[in-house]
Amino acid sequence: ELKVEQNPLFLSMQEGKNYTIYCNYSTTSDRLYWYRQDPGKSLESLFVLLSNGAVKQEGRLMASLDTKARLSTLHITAAVHDLSATYFCAGGTGGFKTIFGAGTRLFVKA
Amino acid sequence: SAVISQKPSRDICQRGTSLTIQCQVDSQVTMMFWYRQQPGQSLTLIATANQGSEATYESGFVIDKFPISRPNLTFSTLTVSNMSPEDSSIYLCSVGERDMVNYGYTFGSGTRLTVV
Repeated sequence: ELKVEQNPLFLSMQEGKNYTIYCNYSTTSDRLYWYRQDPGKSLESLFVLLSNGAVKQEGRLMASLDTKARLSTLHITAAVHDLSATYFCAGGTGGFKTIFGAGTRLFVKA
Repeated sequence: SAVISQKPSRDICQRGTSLTIQCQVDSQVTMMFWYRQQPGQSLTLIATANQGSEATYESGFVIDKFPISRPNLTFSTLTVSNMSPEDSSIYLCSVGERDMVNYGYTFGSGTRLTVV
């Protein structure tokens, strides 16, 4: 069964710095998602990655997918306090089932 | 993207009672998904609900404990039955977007359940 591992699980960073969150998955996954969750809120879809080498960017966030390495990354550029949230990656298996990673709690210090 | 109205947003319930959570979608969707998110944890899929058929439950979840209804293509309910404190979690419904390539899944706002 698909397993999704994220690291780090907790990240505290200064504003203006860059950092990367890593998402490894155990078996073939035909799609990879990144979500953001603010405290007490639901999940917001950030990126959907479908193919090897896919790269998507939105503002200070950029996500990529390497299906051969079974690795997706979420890169944060010049972090700002508003990016503080929990970020989940999730892999899609056959059909519509989606397996979530444990989440990375990001705190950006002003 | 789809808009999901989930109710209630939170509840505090006595052990041994049941709570029914509702999700209403503003468009017709084939599949709806129910997740549980325990405090500080990730999301775990409970079941997939298709209109007109029995829900498909994931390992560790059973229909007697989490009965699901899906009477039409815009609505579903999840009942948490005979609750115990271990059922205290956030429960979320989710649907796939028509434009799955770009938007993936949309989630309801969640129901924060506390069992005392």
